[in-house]
Amino acid sequence: GAGVSQSPSNKVTEKGKDVELRCDPISGHTALYWYRQSLGQGLEFLIYFQGNSAPDKSGLPSDRFSAERTGGSVSTLTIQRTQQEDSAVYLCASSSRGFLYNEQFFGPGTRLTVL
Amino acid sequence: AQSVTQLGSHVSVSEGALVLLRCNYSSSVPPYLFWYVQYPNQGLQLLLKYTSAATLVKGINGFEAEFKKSETSFHLTKPSAHMSDAAEYFCAVSDGVGYSGGGADGLTFGKGTHLIIQP
Repeated sequence: GAGVSQSPSNKVTEKGKDVELRCDPISGHTALYWYRQSLGQGLEFLIYFQGNSAPDKSGLPSDRFSAERTGGSVSTLTIQRTQQEDSAVYLCASSSRGFLYNEQFFGPGTRLTVL
Repeated sequence: AQSVTQLGSHVSVSEGALVLLRCNYSSSVPPYLFWYVQYPNQGLQLLLKYTSAATLVKGINGFEAEFKKSETSFHLTKPSAHMSDAAEYFCAVSDGVGYSGGGADGLTFGKGTHLIIQP
């Protein structure tokens, strides 16, 4: 497809379980971003990748969160030992180095519910 | 550090009336500014962006925004509201520098404004 895709679209899990969220960026986009959208916090920037490298991980909420990107394409955001406060919509975006003004294209998000 | 303030979590206007959504920013460097729209259960869609080329920026769906440096504002307007404009609107800022100067950094978003269109 032409846009950013994310899977699953919805995920319901039990507290304490691990979850993996996947993002497929637009083909050829070298930069990839993860955001979290929740009622209390609005849209929070979590992490970005330039190629496979994430130069700054300080935006991740806790050490239970990790992210990786392989082959300069697909990225996975992993949340270990999920907590109820992790419930949110996780958005992925990508952009091209050719876009000097950091225009980011967003996927539809993964809605995570932790019971 | 950069930040964005959107005044009014909810704005209600009548169909056909002027839409005005307010955004003020703070940035230590000349900013790049964006407005995104989010329809229910969808991702964010870029409406328009300011990149220092022109202070009045025209976007999709009849929206436009004016960059006013003296007021540190980037308010979004549309002359005549349509029912289909009902959505959540987010203002965002980037300093455009980021890692290695390539402009790849995270956006800082405002809290969002929910636009309600009254028939």
